[in-house]
Amino acid sequence: ELKVEQNPLFLSMQEGKNYTIYCNYSTTSDRLYWYRQDPGKSLESLFVLLSNGAVKQEGRLMASLDTKARLSTLHITAAVHDLSATYFCAVDVHRGSQGNLIFGKGTKLSVKP
Amino acid sequence: DVKVTQSSRYLVKRTGEKVFLECVQDMDHENMFWYRQDPGLGLRLIYFSYDVKMKEKGDIPEGYSVSREKKERFSLILESASTNQTSMYLCASSLFVNQARNTEAFFGQGTRLTVV
Repeated sequence: ELKVEQNPLFLSMQEGKNYTIYCNYSTTSDRLYWYRQDPGKSLESLFVLLSNGAVKQEGRLMASLDTKARLSTLHITAAVHDLSATYFCAVDVHRGSQGNLIFGKGTKLSVKP
Repeated sequence: DVKVTQSSRYLVKRTGEKVFLECVQDMDHENMFWYRQDPGLGLRLIYFSYDVKMKEKGDIPEGYSVSREKKERFSLILESASTNQTSMYLCASSLFVNQARNTEAFFGQGTRLTVV
């Protein structure tokens, strides 16, 4: 069974602190995506990782991909309240005749002053 | 910018009604998807389509059907709505995997369906 596991599922941080969210997946894939979802809203694309060793950074967030370990990380540096949201990783797998995305359950991040 | 538009943000329907959720994308994407999102369960794939009139079942197709008569439009149909289909429904689209390295999915704004 295809599995995409995120941990932690809930994360409460203080502003200014660093933390890492982990995304492990159980099948071979070299395409992984990170999304952000604000309460009551849809998913917004954050990062596209398309090869082993890929690293992308945007502001206080940095994502990386290790296809050999089947692991992606989302690192938060010096967290601020605006980063409070739910973060999903999604792995592209071939299913039937097409690829599609399998999502982790999401990490709900709460950044407190 | 890619735009994926779902026909309704909020819907309230009665048990047993036939419900249509519509989704339109304007980026000429081949792939279109319907997910439902429930607390604690994440996103689960209901159906997807990679071409007009083509469809494949996802993880939870029971109680749903889909229609793709035009490339830009993908409809989700609840044949006889039940209370356990109360959920947030998300439509997404992406490029064809054999034509693009980046198969990132773009999401609509979501439809929150309540079945009473």
